[in-house]
Amino acid sequence: DGGITQSPKYLFRKEGQNVTLSCEQNLNHDAMYWYRQDPGQGLRLIYYSQIVNDFQKGDIAEGYSVSREKKESFPLTVTSAQKNPTAFYLCASSGTGDYNEQFFGPGTRLTVL
Amino acid sequence: GQNIDQPTEMTATEGAIVQINCTYQTSGFNGLFWYQQHAGEAPTFLSYNVLDGLEEKGRFSSFLSRSKGYSYLLLKELQMKDSASYLCAPLDSNYQLIWGAGTKLIIKP
Repeated sequence: DGGITQSPKYLFRKEGQNVTLSCEQNLNHDAMYWYRQDPGQGLRLIYYSQIVNDFQKGDIAEGYSVSREKKESFPLTVTSAQKNPTAFYLCASSGTGDYNEQFFGPGTRLTVL
Repeated sequence: GQNIDQPTEMTATEGAIVQINCTYQTSGFNGLFWYQQHAGEAPTFLSYNVLDGLEEKGRFSSFLSRSKGYSYLLLKELQMKDSASYLCAPLDSNYQLIWGAGTKLIIKP
């Protein structure tokens, strides 16, 4: 089955630690995205990548880093510089033509203790 | 700047019809998506409009007026499982989705 996987579903970390969230897709999509969602809020774009070995900052990139070494994978690292990291993190992928429906993974809920 | 405006919350009765409005201002426009998001889950695709008019898909329909920067999602024969947030997301000139905060729809028996 084609789709996007994110792991883990729930993640706890201590303040001051870096943590990496996994995102893998087998939809053969060129573009991948990371969003953050806080309770009662919309999706805010952290980073996106339209091609391997290239990525762009979104609206709230500070305190986050990404890599895109393979087409299928787009891991997100939440660094200790992110001041308020507790949130729901969503990864998505899409094609890069005119029609850009984004397909989402199940999300990772990160809690900083 | 870019802006999406949707009602924060709406309540409707099972079996009824509800219309969720969305107005938008974006840098360029290349279509508009509606997504459904149940609490704690990922958004799922509902509809896409790129031309003016109504697109019907089963119990759900979506309307677009590009000149007015306006769209709505119409849900008919409401079911309890339709309780969710509905996200309006236009595509800007760079083909990036601009996400609204969403409308939380509460269905009552």
